[in-house]
Amino acid sequence: DAKTTQPPSMDCAEGRAANLPCNHSTISGNEYVYWYRQIHSQGPQYIIHGLKNNETNEMASLIITEDRKSSTLILPHATLRDTAVYYCIVRGTGTASKLTFGTGTRLQVTL
Amino acid sequence: GAVVSQHPSRVICKSGTSVKIECRSLDFQATTMFWYRQFPKQSLMLMATSNEGSKATYEQGVEKDKFLINHASLTLSTLTVTSAHPEDSSFYICSARAFGGGYETQYFGPGTRLLVL
Repeated sequence: DAKTTQPPSMDCAEGRAANLPCNHSTISGNEYVYWYRQIHSQGPQYIIHGLKNNETNEMASLIITEDRKSSTLILPHATLRDTAVYYCIVRGTGTASKLTFGTGTRLQVTL
Repeated sequence: GAVVSQHPSRVICKSGTSVKIECRSLDFQATTMFWYRQFPKQSLMLMATSNEGSKATYEQGVEKDKFLINHASLTLSTLTVTSAHPEDSSFYICSARAFGGGYETQYFGPGTRLLVL
């Protein structure tokens, strides 16, 4: 599975949009981009995933560039409860595929 | 999203004892379950992958005789830490994925914090 690169930390004011970038320049055609977050001392929470089209759900939007080498997770109106470590993970298809976690981005939402 | 539970949420044991952690998928059938370990201030590290009814596949460096994994049904997997030592103290997290072509979403349990004295 392709490796991802994320900034180690970001700050965002409450109520503002949080835009978390992720680079995955070696992604291959059948690999999906997944986003999870981990709030302190909890298990990771699924946020969203996509292949090549932009995706939106009740939690966030995922914007994938046309060449698929990078993506951005957007939390439209960040709240203090969105403070967490956000992981961008590339995973292939197939029953043997695995989610491999990098170091993620620590998002701090402030008043 | 789908719900994955773990039990216990926290356990303290003496060195040399064995500890069993249960992982259940509550509202879906999980053909594949994963066990991760997370040390303080570090990311999750995959320990092993288990498919229902077959032996688990362990990641490099993970001792299969120390971390026994049983995936006896489509909704239950157990991790047994045998002869636990203080260095096994960690946050253990299970994850479950439904049957399919591999693109299915994987859901995580809340984690079990193990402290070995």
